[in-house]
Amino acid sequence: AQSVTQPDIHITVSEGASLELRCNYSYGATPYLFWYVQSPGQGLQLLLKYFSGDTLVQGIKGFEAEFKRSQSSFNLRKPSVHWSDAAEYFCAVSRGTGANNLFFGTGTRLTVIP
Amino acid sequence: GAVVSQHPSWVICKSGTSVKIECRSLDFQATTMFWYRQFPKQSLMLMATSNEGSKATYEQGVEKDKFLINHASLTLSTLTVTSAHPEDSSFYICSAKFSSYEQYFGPGTRLTVT
Repeated sequence: AQSVTQPDIHITVSEGASLELRCNYSYGATPYLFWYVQSPGQGLQLLLKYFSGDTLVQGIKGFEAEFKRSQSSFNLRKPSVHWSDAAEYFCAVSRGTGANNLFFGTGTRLTVIP
Repeated sequence: GAVVSQHPSWVICKSGTSVKIECRSLDFQATTMFWYRQFPKQSLMLMATSNEGSKATYEQGVEKDKFLINHASLTLSTLTVTSAHPEDSSFYICSAKFSSYEQYFGPGTRLTVT
């Protein structure tokens, strides 16, 4: 069965510091992987997705993620965090093809300190 | 573009009553809409998938007679929580898609059953 693990429940970083949020998945087939951000009062916003091809994926707001099949990981990174990045981040895997039947991780809450 | 709205954003109802939540795709026609439930500090759990004009497909463990989903048009899906009880209190989120590659999420509806 598919599963998504986000080991870090809460991460605190200083503004301007680099960020890495971890995501590990378990899925038998080639995964379709996503990172979403959830801010209070806002719907989930897609940061980036991986379907195939280049394993380093660029997203919006300066985020990137790298798909590592050998480690079953899809970690999200940002070189320099801004205060507005404080939010809840979710990794998700599709159980089908494309963006269907998303299975979400438990999320990582990011706090940014000045 | 690709905006999804939900109404209401917040609702309180008494135990035993029913409440309807609307999900609308404002600027696109959604081939498929999804309903999720999110408990505090937890992940999103897919409840059901609906296609316009078809019966919804419910995830295992979701009571279809309690959570009625209607997808009457390409821009509107409704979730009705029937005979609500306090344990149904949660954050309900819908999403919609028109292509295979991305789901667009609404801002969510917080339901409190007293």
